[in-house]
Amino acid sequence: ETGVTQSPTHLIKTRGQQVTLRCSSQSGHNTVSWYQQALGQGPQFIFQYYREEENGRGNFPPRFSGLQFPNYSSELNVNALELDDSALYLCASSIPPDTQYFGPGTRLTVL
Amino acid sequence: TQLLEQSPQFLSIQEGENLTVYCNSSSVFSSLQWYRQEPGEGPVLLVTVVTGGEVKKLKRLTFQFGDARKDSSLHITAAQPGDTGLYLCAGTGLSGNTGKLIFGQGTTLQVKP
Repeated sequence: ETGVTQSPTHLIKTRGQQVTLRCSSQSGHNTVSWYQQALGQGPQFIFQYYREEENGRGNFPPRFSGLQFPNYSSELNVNALELDDSALYLCASSIPPDTQYFGPGTRLTVL
Repeated sequence: TQLLEQSPQFLSIQEGENLTVYCNSSSVFSSLQWYRQEPGEGPVLLVTVVTGGEVKKLKRLTFQFGDARKDSSLHITAAQPGDTGLYLCAGTGLSGNTGKLIFGQGTTLQVKP
């Protein structure tokens, strides 16, 4: 148990739809990072939020966007879903520069 | 672009055998972390290595960071079925953004009883 929770656990969408994934960080952690993990691969960094501001972004298109709220929870939004967006989406919380603690992930399937 | 290459990608061994997983890069990392991930769960941190040449032990697991901080290895002694899982190495670059972990593609370990 890392204290990081994500919802929903599983989600099925169709191409072109939009999706919002949610992450509650561990108590006291002000930073949330989001990762995409395709089947059989390691996670890839999408972006990080620190005190409600984006603080670094990986090689993902603008249709991947996010928010961080005053309580440091976070959302990942993906517009115009594509088949290749099917993956496990992980969030991790931390107090930089310390260890990131990962949530269990949201499994997104795009049909 | 910093990349981490893990090898082997898949390992199936019998209980009691030893194994080593490698994590290599042409880039220098300020630190390297090893995670273990089980199906349906997020990665769980096993260890962080920071100093070149550093060796850390966690029960039957031994982790080493290369002298040049470009590579790392994970050695498991007398593997047990409970060690089965996906092992991931992840590095923090020298750019200073400690939030951006660069992961290897993972090594799937299966330990048969």
